[in-house]
Amino acid sequence: QVQLVESGGGLVQTGMSLRLSCAASGSTFSSYPMHWVRQAPGKGLEWVAVIWSDGGKKFYSGFAEGRFTISRDNSKNTLFLQMSSLRVEDTAVYYCARDGTWNDAPKFYFDYWGQGVLVTVSS
Amino acid sequence: SYELTQAPSVSASPGQTASIPCSGHKLGDKFVFWYQQKPRQSPILVIYENYMRPSGIPERFSGSNSGNTATLTISGTQPMDEADYYCQTWDRDTVIFGGGTKLTVL
Repeated sequence: QVQLVESGGGLVQTGMSLRLSCAASGSTFSSYPMHWVRQAPGKGLEWVAVIWSDGGKKFYSGFAEGRFTISRDNSKNTLFLQMSSLRVEDTAVYYCARDGTWNDAPKFYFDYWGQGVLVTVSS
Repeated sequence: SYELTQAPSVSASPGQTASIPCSGHKLGDKFVFWYQQKPRQSPILVIYENYMRPSGIPERFSGSNSGNTATLTISGTQPMDEADYYCQTWDRDTVIFGGGTKLTVL
């Protein structure tokens, strides 16, 4: 049973930083590309970033480029999202999600999702 | 940048067929994925690669993709199917979601 458990969310002020973690279990974490997806309150899903299974490549959505950094520690089965220069519009539930392919390169879809963690950015 | 368009809402009566369209430029040339999200829950993958069903997803969920439109079809809609449904594809190493369609089962 694949489980993804996010942590690290909370209330921060604009301009501050926050680091999210996602602990994975139940599958070979190091074999799967991983993503972060967010959802603002009452809004739709918005992709944030992807990281290859070996961490060798990363891609970001436009709003995340230069402010957010995705990383992973395969020895600890953990995915991270370092967020800096946070804005009010970054307020959202952040989900980690496993890519649907058992391979180094992603297929850019999500077969398992975590329960999400709320990040609130206030001015 | 690539965009996916979904109607905000769709309704169906129990037992009827619900069709949820998703449109995009030459969408039929891409793979489309569908997610179901119920209130206060995480999304669930219900269709991948246009028409494939993950294990555990009921057979009443099906998908198609041709031209500029992909469609999620729910045959014999049940009250438990009431949820938000999101289509998704990818382009140039980025993921694109549609805005979501709220399915109401009346």
